[in-house]
Amino acid sequence: ILNVEQSPQSLHVQEGDSTNFTCSFPSSNFYALHWYRWETAKSPEALFVMTLNGDEKKKGRISATLNTKEGYSYLYIKGSQPEDSATYLCASPKAAGNKLTFGGGTRVLVKP
Amino acid sequence: NAGVTQTPKFQVLKTGQSMTLQCAQDMNHNSMYWYRQDPGMGLRLIYYSASEGTTDKGEVPNGYNVSRLNKREFSLRLESAAPSQTSVYFCASSYSWDFEPLHFGNGTRLTVT
Repeated sequence: ILNVEQSPQSLHVQEGDSTNFTCSFPSSNFYALHWYRWETAKSPEALFVMTLNGDEKKKGRISATLNTKEGYSYLYIKGSQPEDSATYLCASPKAAGNKLTFGGGTRVLVKP
Repeated sequence: NAGVTQTPKFQVLKTGQSMTLQCAQDMNHNSMYWYRQDPGMGLRLIYYSASEGTTDKGEVPNGYNVSRLNKREFSLRLESAAPSQTSVYFCASSYSWDFEPLHFGNGTRLTVT
């Protein structure tokens, strides 16, 4: 994988359900993996910065895991609420330079 | 604590006009960035400054120039605006380019007609 890729591009979740989605990144020369939450008409806000293989981070109902050997991270939302509706971005610094490259995002819509 | 401040919030330009987007941060961050956000394209890096006194190209630098005026300020200049530069521009800053999270400004919505 040469770029940072996220899947799916969008998903609809029923309120109360849990969901997860994926960020894939180049596994060679791994530095760090960032997750951001971006609400409509606002600016992206940082959720997590992960650096260690097997790392797991949690913030409220949102958690993330990291597999640096295979180059992927999962973001989980437990018991989704309408306020969780947002685009979730992941980003990884490229090994060749100080360039934090973003994936295209996963747009989550939680239906009441 | 203002964080990252961008000006202006909105701007309309005619093709060929020039303008400078201003960005300032008060968090003593070393690294600063300019991204553009287009529908279906996510955030794309235009230029960044890893530390005061340095600047480097990102993914889409053509048509832009930057100046890291001091540690606080990082400006983005469009010398001759083109309709393809219609976008939402975000400035961001962080302590370091890799392990520290980015803090974003509120964005500048630019329309070039």
